[in-house]
Amino acid sequence: GAGVSQTPSNKVTEKGKYVELRCDPISGHTALYWYRQSLGQGPEFLIYFQGTGAADDSGLPNDRFFAVRPEGSVSTLKIQRTERGDSAVYLCASSPSGASGRGEQFFGPGTRLTVL
Amino acid sequence: AQSVAQPEDQVNVAEGNPLTVKCTYSVSGNPYLFWYVQYPNRGLQFLLKYITGDNLVKGSYGFEAEFNKSQTSFHLKKPSALVSDSALYFCAVRDLFNQAGTALIFGKGTTLSVSS
Repeated sequence: GAGVSQTPSNKVTEKGKYVELRCDPISGHTALYWYRQSLGQGPEFLIYFQGTGAADDSGLPNDRFFAVRPEGSVSTLKIQRTERGDSAVYLCASSPSGASGRGEQFFGPGTRLTVL
Repeated sequence: AQSVAQPEDQVNVAEGNPLTVKCTYSVSGNPYLFWYVQYPNRGLQFLLKYITGDNLVKGSYGFEAEFNKSQTSFHLKKPSALVSDSALYFCAVRDLFNQAGTALIFGKGTTLSVSS
């Protein structure tokens, strides 16, 4: 079946611009996660959705970052006033149910964001 | 705080030899532990997990991992390495103190290189 998809695969933008990154989770998965992976590092948690609501946004680095999941499926990560330090690969993952934490998360291929 | 350490940046092994990729963790309660593999320009793929029960966990592609509570370790192993196993491997633990408790904390990753 179809896995997690992310668009675009690559995004180059200029400092100060606004960007949106999209994630399509596996159909039926209620839990959705965003992570950020900087060069040479493991993924770092940003935000977790259970259904339409953000159950945990403690990983968002500042108020320039925001994410939505209005219908409980597709999610969009939004970054305002981008900075060069935002350059990274943004990963999305989904899971059938996040509540227990026992299930594995299925990751998309990521969006490589480059801020010039 | 919860954390995961992968003490080796790179592991080199000859094809056909056994391989071990090390992981140690620090959590306050009982850990949920995961191993993921990342191939170039692709998303993370789940290999195996330890939730409870038997300390030896078997996963995909012939990999296994042993949970050792006294040493707080969860090393990834394979009896006979293949060149195609060459990739970046991440150990992860479930964050128990995260608001919703299901986000993963990842190690920095270990690059496995298998030579023919």
